[in-house]
Amino acid sequence: AQTVTQSQPEMSVQEAETVTLSCTYDTSENNYYLFWYKQPPSRQMILVIRQEAYKQQNATENRFSVNFQKAAKSFSLKISDSQLGDTAMYFCAFMKMGTDKLIFGTGTRLQVFP
Amino acid sequence: DAGVIQSPRHEVTEMGQEVTLRCKPISGHDYLFWYRQTMMRGLELLIYFNNNVPIDDSGMPEDRFSAKMPNASFSTLKIQPSEPRDSAVYFCASIGVWGAEQYFGPGTRLTVT
Repeated sequence: AQTVTQSQPEMSVQEAETVTLSCTYDTSENNYYLFWYKQPPSRQMILVIRQEAYKQQNATENRFSVNFQKAAKSFSLKISDSQLGDTAMYFCAFMKMGTDKLIFGTGTRLQVFP
Repeated sequence: DAGVIQSPRHEVTEMGQEVTLRCKPISGHDYLFWYRQTMMRGLELLIYFNNNVPIDDSGMPEDRFSAKMPNASFSTLKIQPSEPRDSAVYFCASIGVWGAEQYFGPGTRLTVT
């Protein structure tokens, strides 16, 4: 069975600084997707970024980028130029290709300070 | 597109009452998922549908929970009878057949007293 581990329950960063959130996963599969979702205080789950396991290039979306290390089964999220609106819970998630089932980590609560 | 729509946004009910949560997926999406989020257990997949057919309901906690999808644009999650431990935020999400990302609704916060 696949598992997703987020070892940092809480993180904080000053506005305009960079922060990295960690995620590791365990799977015997070769084809899968990895995601980072953001859940602000409004509770809405918002997709931040997605990575296909077969792609070696790390995904990037504006200020958000990932460091995908397939062999190490690591998928960290880097937020550059942090903004107050980035304050939220961040969830790492795994999906085996062809199953459509998301397996979530326990989340990291990020607080951005002015 | 309006995104995934859920109703009600908040529900407060007494133990023993029937609760029905509603979801309208994004038009054209073939998959629909129901999740439950609690502090203790995090995000749990309860059940999901493909083309209105339930594919995997292994996450449904008890027989008190049931879900239906009578057509491509509507699904319900029913709890009968409700218990205080059912208090949680319930999310609906949908995905298109060619996509991988799940798009979530705003959630329904259920409180059972």
